[in-house]
Amino acid sequence: QQPVQSPQAVILREGEDAVINCSSSKALYSVHWYRQKHGEAPVFLMILLKGGEQKGHEKISASFNEKKQQSSLYLTASQLSYSGTYFCGTEPERGSTLGRLYFGRGTQLTVWP
Amino acid sequence: DAMVIQNPRYQVTQFGKPVTLSCSQTLNHNVMYWYQQKSSQAPKLLFHYYDKDFNNEADTPDNFQSRRPNTSFCFLDIRSPGLGDAAMYLCATSGGGFRDSVVFPYNEQFFGPGTRLTVL
Repeated sequence: QQPVQSPQAVILREGEDAVINCSSSKALYSVHWYRQKHGEAPVFLMILLKGGEQKGHEKISASFNEKKQQSSLYLTASQLSYSGTYFCGTEPERGSTLGRLYFGRGTQLTVWP
Repeated sequence: DAMVIQNPRYQVTQFGKPVTLSCSQTLNHNVMYWYQQKSSQAPKLLFHYYDKDFNNEADTPDNFQSRRPNTSFCFLDIRSPGLGDAAMYLCATSGGGFRDSVVFPYNEQFFGPGTRLTVL
């Protein structure tokens, strides 16, 4: 049930944009996005619930298409602080237990000055 | 500040010597999780608690046990650590959830800083 993230790695110049994709073979109730810097714990970015919503957080936004079982994270005008590994965590459609997330393998984002 | 605390931050143990990792939270969250994360891999859920209800992942080895004596604390016991158990262990908490056909407000998972386990 592990979601598939793409690409595996992205290298950007400061100010450039990036898109990270997350897809699941299972029907989803929610998708979480987290960022993890080297040696640190993952930090929550946003949750998207079933309903096709789009959310924003500073210059980072995301969309969730539950019909396609896909979510995308959009990073615009990237900053050096955006560097890290981005994980999507998917929660299967209700019927499973309590907020159990399946994490993708992560996308390593590097932003250069 | 409300937070998730893990102790110790670094743990070195010998092959086969039992070790206990601890997690405490001041968020008063009812759900607590233990994840194992190896280098350059996704966090892998080992088990989680909804209050005192324990949920074990099917592929979590028997070598791993957990205890949650109260809302604030959760422990991960590794009974006989092997070299393959060397990893970062992350504790996370979450408020709300789904129980008895009722959906509670659902929130993000808050992660602690992790305990890096080395097995010699």
